[in-house]
Order: sequence, then C-alpha cells, then structure tokens
Amino acid sequence: DIVMTQSPFSLAVSEGEMVTINCKSSQSLLSSGNQKNYLAWYQQKPGQSPKLLIYYASTRQSGVPDRFIGSGSGTDFTLTISDVQAEDLADYYCLQHYSYLTFGSGTKLEIK
Amino acid sequence: EVQLVESGGGLVQPGASLKLSCVASGFTFSDYWMSWVRQTPGKTMEWIGDIKYDGSYTNYAPSLKNRFTISRDNAKSTLYLQMSNVRSEDTATYYCTRDVRYFDYWGQGVMVTVSS
Repeated sequence: DIVMTQSPFSLAVSEGEMVTINCKSSQSLLSSGNQKNYLAWYQQKPGQSPKLLIYYASTRQSGVPDRFIGSGSGTDFTLTISDVQAEDLADYYCLQHYSYLTFGSGTKLEIK
Repeated sequence: EVQLVESGGGLVQPGASLKLSCVASGFTFSDYWMSWVRQTPGKTMEWIGDIKYDGSYTNYAPSLKNRFTISRDNAKSTLYLQMSNVRSEDTATYYCTRDVRYFDYWGQGVMVTVSS
C-alpha cells in the first residue's frame, strides 16, 4: 500500500496570510505513461462532505479560487493557499490514486 | 447539477448486515465508475472500493474485501454497499462518490454506528 504522510496536523493563520500543507508518498505517484502525478487535494468544511480542489497535483477544479495552488511531483506535494480567507476554515486532505487509493491524515486549518 | 444522496445508515449490532444505497442524478450514471469512501469519527478517510460503469468489475481495499460488496443498478441510477459481519471499527460516515480516478463529486454522507 502507498502511505501518504501529511503535515502539519493543524495550523492557525490570520486572514491574508499564506499557508502550505504537505503530503509525502511512500512511492512515486508519477505515471511514466502520461507524466501525470496521481495526487488530488480536498477541502472539507465543518459539517460538509469533501470538495475537490486540485487533481493531477496541480490542476485546479472548475470554480476553485486561484489562491489554491497545487505543486510537486514524484513523492512530494504541496497545497498552497495564498491570501487565506475566513471561509477557508476547513480540514484538507491529499489523496493518491496511483495504486488503489489512500488519503493523507488531514490538516486542520484554523483562522486566528 | 450532480447530486448523490445516500441512505440506509443507522445503529446496527456487531455481526449484523446492512445495505447502503446512493441515488445519483444530474449526470449519466451508467457512464461513470463509482466508489464508496468512509470517514471515521476520528476523521480518518478510507477508500472502500469501486465499481465499473457497467457493473462488470469491482475492486476493493484489501482490508475490506471479504466483508463489503459494491453493486449498482443503472436503470435506477443507484449504487449499493452491502456490509456484512459489521464491527465496531466500521462505525463511520459513508460517502458515495463519482470516481474519475479521483473523486470529483461526493454525497452528503450517511452515518453507520456499530454498537450493542
């Protein structure tokens, strides 16, 4: 099984600041066939189901604000949220879909 | 608008069986793979398994393969999860998802509590 190690567990920032959330996979998620990284990011607001933010490591889902940026390749990936807004209060999860599907443990984003 | 609506959850005793349903709308259900994902009270997310668009193939997380069965009825645009011999560790919110290799749409989830 591919293990996804996500960090930090939680973080608290003020509105307008930037945050980075990291996911490291136990093996490469880069497909040699199409050069795509099989990594997605989700946002789960309190009391809601998860919402897709980013797929193939860096492609933003339609309707997602451009302050959400996915980057990385191989085994190391980052979700960057620039100019954090109060509405970004949520848990964030990475998901690898290279071999079966496994999630990171989640990051709780709090707004000061 | 894509909608996925789960039902069938509740309180169930250890060792019992339970069948969850998910009714899909807003897209051509028979064109898509579908998956079930669960989230424990501690917020751990776990993929359970998926089913091919025509129902001819299923794939499961190795740890759950023998107790859970996924099926679908394309005529009813409905996805199912049959759970057998449930355990306390199966207590979770169960989500139906549209599977495009990752999950682009999720239902609102249904809670299953396993307790005597």
